[in-house]
Amino acid sequence: DIVMTQSPDSLAVSLGERATINCKSSQSVLYSSNNLNYLSWYQQKPGQPPKLLIYWASTRESGVPNRFSGSGSGTDFTLTIDSLQAEDVAVYYCQQFYSTPGTFGQGTRVEIK
Amino acid sequence: QMQLQESGPGLVKPSETLSLTCTVSGGLSNYYWSWIRQPPGKGLEWIGYIYYGTTNYNPSLKSRVTVLVDTSKNQFSLRLISMTTADTAMYYCARGGTTVKTSNAFDIWGQGTMVTVSS
Repeated sequence: DIVMTQSPDSLAVSLGERATINCKSSQSVLYSSNNLNYLSWYQQKPGQPPKLLIYWASTRESGVPNRFSGSGSGTDFTLTIDSLQAEDVAVYYCQQFYSTPGTFGQGTRVEIK
Repeated sequence: QMQLQESGPGLVKPSETLSLTCTVSGGLSNYYWSWIRQPPGKGLEWIGYIYYGTTNYNPSLKSRVTVLVDTSKNQFSLRLISMTTADTAMYYCARGGTTVKTSNAFDIWGQGTMVTVSS
């Protein structure tokens, strides 16, 4: 299985500031035939299911605010939340879907400082 | 807007079998359909998927899992045998992509159903 490791486990950011979450995969999730990274980011608020934010490492899902952005390739990825809002308090997960089983990172909890 | 809804018992006794159903508004055609679980306070674990009649399971659960589909009812189901307290979790159904390579790319999730294993 591909192991996904996120850092940090939690972070506290002031309203309006930037939050950065890192995700590292134990092997590359870049598919050479189409040059796409099989990597998604999800947001999970308390009592809710995960919500897809980003797929192909950097493509925002429809309706996701543009303050959320994803970057990276191969084994190292980043989710950035520009200008953190109160409603962004949540746990964020990265997930690889390059191979089954699709595996998730352990999650990063984002709070307001 | 497609919606998924899980249903099933909230409490299962140790050694018994869990049966859950996911009802999909909008039909099952063309997509991979998965079950995913999340123990309280912990991370997410993919259980398995079904695509028409083809299934694939997480090796960690393969010996205990069956996923079935009933296209006439727009439902797919999960059967997990020999339940233990370690299987206590929120169980989600989710829609994957339209190809095997995107089968684990989950864009729509149900609200989840909490299953507790206790005598």
